[in-house]
Amino acid sequence: ETGVTQTPRHLVMGMTNKKSLKCEQHLGHNAMYWYKQSAKKPLELMFVYNFKEQTENNSVPSRFSPECPNSSHLFLHLHTLQPEDSALYLCASSQEVLAGGRETQYFGPGTRLLVL
Amino acid sequence: AQSVTQLDSHVSVSEGTPVLLRCNYSSSYSPSLFWYVQHPNKGLQLLLKYTSAATLVKGINGFEAEFKKSETSFHLTKPSAHMSDAAEYFCVVSGGKLTFGQGTILTVHP
Repeated sequence: ETGVTQTPRHLVMGMTNKKSLKCEQHLGHNAMYWYKQSAKKPLELMFVYNFKEQTENNSVPSRFSPECPNSSHLFLHLHTLQPEDSALYLCASSQEVLAGGRETQYFGPGTRLLVL
Repeated sequence: AQSVTQLDSHVSVSEGTPVLLRCNYSSSYSPSLFWYVQHPNKGLQLLLKYTSAATLVKGINGFEAEFKKSETSFHLTKPSAHMSDAAEYFCVVSGGKLTFGQGTILTVHP
């Protein structure tokens, strides 16, 4: 596999379910990101990990819980979500987080989440 | 603070005609600027980026963009549109963290 992969590609869950999204990068990068893409809204950065350490949490509700066990894998654990959390969740990676944000990020295909 | 504005939510062109997707930005820093493309049900793919080198940046698939500091613009152009260019395009500014524009949907008619 090459690039950034995400599983599952589609997920339907109820508000009381617990599920996890998985992201894996095969690029040898050290930084990984979670984004939320909602209809008619700009892409929103959720979390940033640099060398496995969380460096940014963009005021994300606690019902979203990230986990980065190593530089190649990133998870997003979901619990008691709301219908407004339905969106495309994109994972990205970059060589590292650089000052000034000059690093190029490589994106996965996303997980389309529907919360009923 | 930084922001990015994509001036058109939709652009429609005929195949073989030029493409212009407009982007204005504001940033307190000397920004890096990117254009990404997203085809349906796909992730974002980097088209090109500006990081304070040459102001005219050439990207993949025949796209290019010109950084104009005086106009705070970073418009994306292509001389001749192809059907496969139909997608959504995002202008992104980074002066510390990435800020995405709202996207421009490009439609290409035969």
